Amino acid sequence: DADVTQTPRNRITKTGKRIMLECSQTKGHDRMYWYRQDPGLGLRLIYYSFDVKDINKGEISDGYSVSRQAQAKFSLSLESAIPNQTALYFCATSAPGRGQPQHFGDGTRLSIL
Amino acid sequence: AQSVTQPDIHITVSEGASLELRCNYSYGATPYLFWYVQSPGQGLQLLLKYFSGDTLVQGIKGFEAEFKRSQSSFNLRKPSVHWSDAAEYFCAVGAYGGSQGNLIFGKGTKLSVKP
Repeated sequence: DADVTQTPRNRITKTGKRIMLECSQTKGHDRMYWYRQDPGLGLRLIYYSFDVKDINKGEISDGYSVSRQAQAKFSLSLESAIPNQTALYFCATSAPGRGQPQHFGDGTRLSIL
Repeated sequence: AQSVTQPDIHITVSEGASLELRCNYSYGATPYLFWYVQSPGQGLQLLLKYFSGDTLVQGIKGFEAEFKRSQSSFNLRKPSVHWSDAAEYFCAVGAYGGSQGNLIFGKGTKLSVKP
């Protein structure tokens, strides 16, 4: 089984719909991250959480919200989806401390029509 | 501000040829540096990392990278490329300050391999 699991892997939905992307991990890491990947732009950080009670905005948090339900679970929500949120979304985890590598899920490809 | 630049958007090499992917960083102290690879339809996989010590770092899949402080570079190399190396490669630097633990990624270099 994968260490970082994202569901769903693919999703097509309509403008205005509420969408939740889920991430679960078995690595026992405290830190979890949500990124968005667009062609030519690399990965941009949406939100991150250093533990269950800690949630922080990243570079591009507008239009998104998150929930850290447990150490192992971190969900990303789009309250009212818009077409420019069409992208590939990644969840990642890491151990505490500076310089720790991040471990990525396989991504969710989201299309908003 | 911390930043990472990957000057080459797309590189094509022949199978068996050597490879060098460039990465330049902007950072105020000793950086933590990473290279990741993303194969189509998959997440990012860590190739190697540099924290301190020997400036030539060995990674998985036959890759290595050299940290050059004077040039603010951390270039990725492989002596002989295989067709399976075709992927997108990302360089990243570890952030400092209040967001310690976060990574700042470059925009990536896509590698194509010719038969």
